[in-house]
Amino acid sequence: EAGVAQSPRYKIIEKRQSVAFWCNPISGHATLYWYQQILGQGPKLLIQFQNNGVVDDSQLPKDRFSAERLKGVDSTLKIQPAKLEDSAVYLCASSSLRDRREDEQFFGPGTRLTVL
Amino acid sequence: DAKTTQPPSMDCAEGRAANLPCNHSTISGNEYVYWYRQIHSQGPQYIIHGLKNNETNEMASLIITEDRKSSTLILPHATLRDTAVYYCIVRGRYNFNKFYFGSGTKLNVKP
Repeated sequence: EAGVAQSPRYKIIEKRQSVAFWCNPISGHATLYWYQQILGQGPKLLIQFQNNGVVDDSQLPKDRFSAERLKGVDSTLKIQPAKLEDSAVYLCASSSLRDRREDEQFFGPGTRLTVL
Repeated sequence: DAKTTQPPSMDCAEGRAANLPCNHSTISGNEYVYWYRQIHSQGPQYIIHGLKNNETNEMASLIITEDRKSSTLILPHATLRDTAVYYCIVRGRYNFNKFYFGSGTKLNVKP
């Protein structure tokens, strides 16, 4: 089966600019996650969707970050305006409630964002 | 969710067993222990998880102490491709329970 797809793989912007990342989860996976991974640290959950509803966005900086999953399939994460400290890898993951290993999250390759 | 403590780095000789420890002394009775690894420039990859019994799959073995306050991930015959950051995570059973990734253990497998 195809894995989690993310685009773009790399993005360089200047501070105060806007940026958007796209994620297409594994087909049939109901749960989708966005993580932020700063260099040298483990991934930090930003937002979790169950189908097209938000389950947890407690660590999402809502003044500048937004995410949507309108049809319960693919998702976009937006930053507007970007700050220097947003430089990180943004990882998308998905999981299925129907698989035997339903707790396993499958991660995409990530988008590396550099804010100058 | 419980916090975990892992050594920042470990070395292992190729072909030998790699034993990665994790301390989770505040784990509660319904929380599972998960292990993921992240190879350079890739997303994390699931390895194994368990509740209280030891678990084994094609990738690794998970040994959980009887009091559940610590665990060890065992890679029986480490290869150079096992060089990665290994994360030990404790969380509840369901998808709405968060994953808290710590800083993990950087395993360096050397020829």
